[in-house]
Amino acid sequence: NAGVTQTPKFQVLKTGQSMTLQCAQDMNHEYMSWYRQDPGMGLRLIHYSVGAGITDQGEVPNGYNVSRSTTEDFPLRLLSAAPSQTSVYFCASSYALATPGNTIYFGEGSWLTVV
Amino acid sequence: QQQVKQSPQSLIVQKGGISIINCAYENTAFDYFPWYQQFPGKGPALLIAIRPDVSEKKEGRFTISFNKSAKQFSLHIMDSQPGDSATYFCAVGEGGDDKIIFGKGTRLHILP
Repeated sequence: NAGVTQTPKFQVLKTGQSMTLQCAQDMNHEYMSWYRQDPGMGLRLIHYSVGAGITDQGEVPNGYNVSRSTTEDFPLRLLSAAPSQTSVYFCASSYALATPGNTIYFGEGSWLTVV
Repeated sequence: QQQVKQSPQSLIVQKGGISIINCAYENTAFDYFPWYQQFPGKGPALLIAIRPDVSEKKEGRFTISFNKSAKQFSLHIMDSQPGDSATYFCAVGEGGDDKIIFGKGTRLHILP
C-alpha cells in the first residue's frame, strides 16, 4: 500500500545544476500536483496535471518543468537550480481536487537545498 | 492576493483546552473547505472537510464551524492533546476547478 512515493528524500544541489524529483502513485488517480512548502508561506502549487498528457501551471511555476507521460508518474524538473528554490517539495494525488468528500494524498516530501 | 487567510500563525494551548484556528475567504464560488494536518517530517493529511450547505461538522474531537455569510470557517479541537501538536492548513476549492488553495498554516503546540 505505497500511496504517493517521492524520491529523493533529501538533496543538496549547487546553483545552476539541474535535477528531477520523482513522484509515483499507485492509486490510479487522475489528478497529480506538486507543491512547495516554505516557512510562513504555506503550501504553494507549482504545477498540476488532470491526466496523462495534460499539465498546467500553478501559482509558482517559474524554474520548474513537469510532464505526465503515464497516470502513475509525475516528475518535477528543476532546470537551473537557484538558492530561492531551497524548499520542501510535496507531490500529491487525488481522484479529483475540489470535489467534496475527495481526499488529496501527499507524499512524505523531498527536502532540497540549493547552495 | 491571498484567497484564503488563516490565523493565528502559531498557537499554544494547555492539554485539555480548546484549540481554535480560523480561516477567511473572499470568493463566494468556493464550495469545498477541508482541513489538513501535518506532523513534522511528514506530508499533510486530510483531517476533516465541510460543504457550505451545513454550518457544522464534527468528527470525534475535531469540529469545523462554517459561517457562509461571513465567509469564514474554523477548526475547533476539543480536549486538545499533546499528540495534536502539528501544523494545520485550511483550504478552499471550487467544484469543477482543478485547484485547491491552501492557507499559510498554523503551528499548534499542546502543552503537556
